[in-house]
Amino acid sequence: SQQGEEDPQALSIQEGENATMNCSYKTSINNLQWYRQNSGRGLVHLILIRSNEREKHSGRLRVTLDTSKKSSSLLITASRAADTASYFCAPLTGSNSGAGSYQLTFGKGTKLSVIP
Amino acid sequence: DAGVTQSPTHLIKTRGQHVTLRCSPISGHKSVSWYQQVLGQGPQFIFQYYEKEERGRGNFPDRFSARQFPNYSSELNVNALLLGDSALYLCASSYTGVRVGEQYFGPGTRLTVT
Repeated sequence: SQQGEEDPQALSIQEGENATMNCSYKTSINNLQWYRQNSGRGLVHLILIRSNEREKHSGRLRVTLDTSKKSSSLLITASRAADTASYFCAPLTGSNSGAGSYQLTFGKGTKLSVIP
Repeated sequence: DAGVTQSPTHLIKTRGQHVTLRCSPISGHKSVSWYQQVLGQGPQFIFQYYEKEERGRGNFPDRFSARQFPNYSSELNVNALLLGDSALYLCASSYTGVRVGEQYFGPGTRLTVT
C-alpha cells in the first residue's frame, strides 16, 4: 500500500482562507517532502522536512512533522486561486546516504480548489 | 539554471512496441529516479540510479529497464508495451551529499498505449 496517505482527498475553500492538508505514513523515514501538481503536469517541490525537525516554514507554507504519530501537515495561509492544484506528501525511505538506495512513496494526494 | 528536462513531452505507441524516454538532471545532480503516475494516482517508484549504477528498483516487471550515462542523464526503456503502461512518466534528480535532499521532478512524458 502507499506510504504517504493524504487527507482529505479533496478540499474546497474561498480565496484568502487557510488550507490544511494532512499526511500519514507507516514506516520510519529520513525526510518528508511536499509537492504540488497542476493538472497532470510535473511535480513542483514545495518543502522538505527532516526526521529530526518538527516544523518548517517557507513563505505562506508551514509544514509540521510528528514522527511519534507518523504524520505531517501542510498549511497554506491566505490561499489564492493559483494555489488550486493537487498536493502530495512523499516520505523518503531507504538509505540516508546520497549514494544509497532511497525512494519517495506517494499517496493519491489532496485536490485543493481555491474559489476566487 | 535549467531544471530537470524530459523528452519527448508526449508519445503514442501501440501494444507490443518498445519506448525510450529520456531525462537530463539538474546540473550537479548525480542521482536520477524514475516514477510512473497513472491517472488519478500518485507517482510510483520505478528506478533510482546513482553514478551509473542501479541503486533501487520498485515493483515493476522486467519489461522496464533503465540506464544512466556518464553525464548523469538517463533513459527509461519499456518493452512489449501494454495498455496499462499508459501513464505520465516522471524523472527526478537530486544532489547527493551526505544526506539525501530535495528530489526535483521534470515535466514528465505522457505515454499513451493504444
